[in-house]
Amino acid sequence: GAGVSQSPSNKVTEKGKDVELRCDPISGHTALYWYRQRLGQGLEFLIYFQGNSAPDKSGLPSDRFSAERTGESVSTLTIQRTQQEDSAVYLCASTFSVTDTQYFGPGTRLTVL
Amino acid sequence: EDQVTQSPEALRLQEGESSSLNCSYTVSGLRGLFWYRQDPGKGPEFLFTLYSAGEEKEKERLKATLTKKESFLHITAPKPEDSATYLCALLYSNTGNQFYFGTGTSLTVIP
Repeated sequence: GAGVSQSPSNKVTEKGKDVELRCDPISGHTALYWYRQRLGQGLEFLIYFQGNSAPDKSGLPSDRFSAERTGESVSTLTIQRTQQEDSAVYLCASTFSVTDTQYFGPGTRLTVL
Repeated sequence: EDQVTQSPEALRLQEGESSSLNCSYTVSGLRGLFWYRQDPGKGPEFLFTLYSAGEEKEKERLKATLTKKESFLHITAPKPEDSATYLCALLYSNTGNQFYFGTGTSLTVIP
């Protein structure tokens, strides 16, 4: 595809349910970021994947959050037992390396009722 | 303490009225400073990367500059289509792959 895509675009869930968010990066980009953007706040780093290296998980806020990526393909961010404070826009970005331009997807807006 | 501070939070300009946005930081060891534009309901769009003090980059009506403690995004003769939120993000040498984003400046250009 021409850019980074994310699905779903919107997700409404009930407190306590698990959700899975998907990111399709630009073909050939070896690196991938997940961010969280709460209303009126800056982007918050969650996790970084680079090729087949161990991911940098230092930004994950709790053990309810996890992410996977196989090679240079699709990534999924899973939030277990969702809480209302998890409501935010979740953005994915792909790039060649940490110092290169990041290309962002449109985000998934998550609302936890 | 916030790593990155952007000011002002919001800015309203008349079309053609030039101004500057500020991004200041307190931590040393900067690897790169990135400027992005974000339109409502969309992901950020890359504008510039600056790596060292004194560096400048230009693109159309936008010019980004960098000193040891802050960066400015200068907007010359803005147009309504420049209305957006402008974000800066910092990458430090001692924090690995983690980017620190400011909360942004919301720019509105009035025709």
